[in-house]
Amino acid sequence: QSALTQPRSVSGSPGQSVTISCTGTSSDVGGYNYVSWYQQHPGKAPKLMIYDVSKRPSGVPDRFSGSKSGNTASLTISGLQAEDEADYYCCSYAGSRVFGGGTKLTVL
Amino acid sequence: QVQLQESGPGLVKPSQTLSLTCTVSGGSISSGGYYWSWIRQHPGKGLEWIGYIYYSGSTYYNPSLKSRVTISVDTSKNQFSLKLSSVTAADTAVYYCARDPKGGRFDYWGQGTLVTVSS
Repeated sequence: QSALTQPRSVSGSPGQSVTISCTGTSSDVGGYNYVSWYQQHPGKAPKLMIYDVSKRPSGVPDRFSGSKSGNTASLTISGLQAEDEADYYCCSYAGSRVFGGGTKLTVL
Repeated sequence: QVQLQESGPGLVKPSQTLSLTCTVSGGSISSGGYYWSWIRQHPGKGLEWIGYIYYSGSTYYNPSLKSRVTISVDTSKNQFSLKLSSVTAADTAVYYCARDPKGGRFDYWGQGTLVTVSS
């Protein structure tokens, strides 16, 4: 199983929106509605932000949203805030579980 | 509130076996409904799923690590464990345990423990 493909970095100014893509294959992202997204601040454990493509766990701001088209899933963060600066990882069910390589979000 | 805590040696010699335990509190492994996973993160790199175990003892491993990985569960202690054999420096990483409510998401994580492979 190969890692899912994410951009290495994205950036945006406070208040703006950014979208992070996660590209897989029909055997993972495209084959199941089981894509999740994680936020990781330096030195901390990852935190679940989105699951089942577009569902938000309790406590996650509605500024975070997820979607999927074909073999590509996306995480959109609207109304960027300074505390959103972190690494973001996607993960897909594939029988096993496969992660993306991670995207560093910089809030300018 | 479910909490997970990894424990084990922080230093392992090359060719030896890495052994870690995850203790779960605030919920019972034997209640079912969840897989219990190990995930690692090489320094400065991304996340890699290692494998999971169900309370019944059934397992599923990352094919790339399958030949060296064993995950076991002790429901009496509410713990599950990871053994990774024949380690090399490439196995140096922060190891996390996490709860997986099926569908491949991880809703609760341990804080992670750094394991360094070095002589």
